[in-house]
Amino acid sequence: DQQVKQNSPSLSVQEGRISILNCDYTNSMFDYFLWYKKYPAEGPTFLISISSIKDKNEDGRFTVFLNKSAKHLSLHIVPSQPGDSAVYFCAASSQGGSEKLVFGKGTKLTVNP
Amino acid sequence: KAGVTQTPRYLIKTRGQQVTLSCSPISGHRSVSWYQQTPGQGLQFLFEYFSETQRNKGNFPGRFSGRQFSNSRSEMNVSTLELGDSALYLCASSLVVGGSYEQYFGPGTRLTVT
Repeated sequence: DQQVKQNSPSLSVQEGRISILNCDYTNSMFDYFLWYKKYPAEGPTFLISISSIKDKNEDGRFTVFLNKSAKHLSLHIVPSQPGDSAVYFCAASSQGGSEKLVFGKGTKLTVNP
Repeated sequence: KAGVTQTPRYLIKTRGQQVTLSCSPISGHRSVSWYQQTPGQGLQFLFEYFSETQRNKGNFPGRFSGRQFSNSRSEMNVSTLELGDSALYLCASSLVVGGSYEQYFGPGTRLTVT
């Protein structure tokens, strides 16, 4: 049973436009969510996180939105840059600081110049 | 500050052998987690160690084991290797700061079982 789902395996956007990556979860015990970016042959790089007590967190070009009632979160990248092209993973934790993360299968973002 | 390091970066083993992978966390991080990444299953949690104790464990067979040393360095062992163990093994260290935490990953060890 996949508890964290990223239903879009790929996304293509134009440079300068907004990229929106989506993630759904089924486990209502999840209370902390993270987004990672991964390039081939490298480990995931932490981007941004959000606690379930918030519905939005911003860091530069990256904003994460959390809709607890819909069990949905999204990552917005504005403006998108070609260097953002990578696989993006959504991850969730159920112990508010537990290091056990449950990952989605990723969305490959391509930003076209 | 140096990041998470993993050795070796690449490894080729044959079925039935065993393998040991090593991970050095970021200085000051006491928690080390291990993940397996495969094309079909994505990133899956193996186990997590904190202060030399296993604190969390994923759904992997007993052939997968780990340990953590007093300096927070961690090793992961896989015995009786199977073809399906071919994967990228990622180590991550984390630090809790003010109620939130960030988990930092190493570059991974690419294990190929033939």
